[in-house]
Amino acid sequence: GQNIDQPTEMTATEGAIVQINCTYQTSGFNGLFWYQQHAGEAPTFLSYNVLDGLEEKGRFSSFLSRSKGYSYLLLKELQMKDSASYLCAVRDLNSGGYQKVTFGTGTKLQVIP
Amino acid sequence: GAVVSQHPSWVICKSGTSVKIECRSLDFQATTMFWYRQFPKQSLMLMATSNEGSKATYEQGVEKDKFLINHASLTLSTLTVTSAHPEDSSFYICSARWSRTYEQYFGPGTRLTVT
Repeated sequence: GQNIDQPTEMTATEGAIVQINCTYQTSGFNGLFWYQQHAGEAPTFLSYNVLDGLEEKGRFSSFLSRSKGYSYLLLKELQMKDSASYLCAVRDLNSGGYQKVTFGTGTKLQVIP
Repeated sequence: GAVVSQHPSWVICKSGTSVKIECRSLDFQATTMFWYRQFPKQSLMLMATSNEGSKATYEQGVEKDKFLINHASLTLSTLTVTSAHPEDSSFYICSARWSRTYEQYFGPGTRLTVT
């Protein structure tokens, strides 16, 4: 099974930087995703990490440490529209070689003026 | 990017009736489609995974006789909620992926309310 932990809520100021952490435990790790989900909408893909290190994509960056079971999503130059839930999701392979993606409970980020 | 649609976007039905939700990949062939359920203020819970032309694989605790999944073609999967109960009221989201890719593309979701 999997255990994915991320903070429930965070608040940050417009223009600032915020880091959302995610820790996980899994036996057959095969990649970690970050998704953004606005209330009442489906998730949208932000990033994917399978190797250790930092992946940068515009204002968003994602970091992975497989040995520590740890990832973070970094949002720079925060904008009001960044207020949303951010979901950490881990893909693993079960004993039957079947890939499965499991989502964390999400971090609700509120950006304030 | 790849587009996934769902129909209907919302539906209200009475207890005991059945509801069918369609998930379509519009510009790619989806070898695998996933069905998720999300209750208010909770994360997405995977219900089942379906590969085109084969039976769906259901997650533990999901009743396969209640949630019928059909993935008859590379662009269409359907979820039928049979004998709907108010407890089935939820946000149902599908996602699709084609082989050799890691990314799942999500549909806009279907909000089901059972009265």
